[in-house]
Amino acid sequence: ETGVTQTPRHLVMGMTNKKSLKCEQHLGHNAMYWYKQSAKKPLELMFVYSLEERVENNSVPSRFSPECPNSSHLFLHLHTLQPEDSALYLCASSQYPSDIQYFGAGTRLSVL
Amino acid sequence: RKEVEQDPGPFNVPEGATVAFNCTYSNSASQSFFWYRQDCRKEPKLLMSVYSSGNEDGRFTAQLNRASQYISLLIRDSKLSDSATYLCVVNLGGWAGGTSYGKLTFGQGTILTVHP
Repeated sequence: ETGVTQTPRHLVMGMTNKKSLKCEQHLGHNAMYWYKQSAKKPLELMFVYSLEERVENNSVPSRFSPECPNSSHLFLHLHTLQPEDSALYLCASSQYPSDIQYFGAGTRLSVL
Repeated sequence: RKEVEQDPGPFNVPEGATVAFNCTYSNSASQSFFWYRQDCRKEPKLLMSVYSSGNEDGRFTAQLNRASQYISLLIRDSKLSDSATYLCVVNLGGWAGGTSYGKLTFGQGTILTVHP
């Protein structure tokens, strides 16, 4: 266990559904991240929250909406997704001054 | 040009073999460097950080050449349990609100299979 918990582990949703992915870190870290890992592609950074403020948005479509209500929790709200959004979504956290990020087990998302 | 480029392999080696992975990165402003390991359908896990002076952790040796923008990983005496995808990771770094955070760019990974 890395101390980063993601739920649900698997999610199947239709293109008109609205769902949310949840990430919780028990490490006392001050930065949290969302990544996307599609088949045959490298992990891609989506969003970064530092001290509960969004500091990076890596040109992610607006159908993905992040939320960081406190330093331990991070959400990714999903709506009107496309089949190409099917991927493994990974959450990570880190603590200044270390650069090391610890990953959750991910949510495997299928959009039908 | 890809920001982080790795030989995708796959590398198929017998137990006990020595295997080397290479990686190049394009952004000279990159601040820190890592090798992560990812098992099939699992999350990436840190294998080791990489320093210019070179660093070793048991059977694993990592090296960074900033002038050439090149990172390497050497695995000696391969074990069956070393079978995984090895990810070269470069951190460009960010700064906001008086604290730093990571901006990691991942290579596509190098697949290693160690067989008996």
